[in-house]
Amino acid sequence: DTEVTQTPKHLVMGMTNKKSLKCEQHMGHRAMYWYKQKAKKPPELMFVYSYEKLSINESVPSRFSPECPNSSLLNLHLHALQPEDSALYLCASSQDGRGSYNEQFFGPGTRLTVL
Amino acid sequence: LAKTTQPISMDSYEGQEVNITCSHNNIATNDYITWYQQFPSQGPRFIIQGYKTKVTNEVASLFIPADRKSSTLSLPRVSLSDTAVYYCLVGDGNYGGSQGNLIFGKGTKLSVKP
Repeated sequence: DTEVTQTPKHLVMGMTNKKSLKCEQHMGHRAMYWYKQKAKKPPELMFVYSYEKLSINESVPSRFSPECPNSSLLNLHLHALQPEDSALYLCASSQDGRGSYNEQFFGPGTRLTVL
Repeated sequence: LAKTTQPISMDSYEGQEVNITCSHNNIATNDYITWYQQFPSQGPRFIIQGYKTKVTNEVASLFIPADRKSSTLSLPRVSLSDTAVYYCLVGDGNYGGSQGNLIFGKGTKLSVKP
């Protein structure tokens, strides 16, 4: 199984809502990533988990809260988002934490709209 | 931090060979060069990775000159389904707190016409 799955595919939320994005992989990878991608822009790295520990947080606002319950699962908890947070949120995994050296496998993304 | 520069867009026709060049003048000794492909509303997909000279796999070739200040992704005999954005990344994969290894450049939008 070389697939990274993400749920939900689409999410619409108000600025006062709390929601979560979920990501799962069963490739035995020990590194997982969250990216944010705005329309016609490249993906921007948000968080990196390596061996279930947060190793990189790219100065992301606290309204985004990542969680890695185990090596196969990655969540992104959302609270009090702003309309400018509307984007495609991508999850990826790689064999270990050396993201640039190891091939990253990306999920299809969650299209988030904040009203 | 090795910054990459690519053409914003390229046009081609079916059956032609397409070469996309990425400039990375500040590449470090330990840096690898990686290319990803992305279709609209999908996650990027790994294409190829190399360090020097030439690397070839079933979908593409990667040419890296001796000075490694640039690299060229070569797609043989493109089809309509190769229409996508192609990203070049440069980094050594050793985080150490550095974000440089996972920065996507602006990408090259390839349009293949019939």
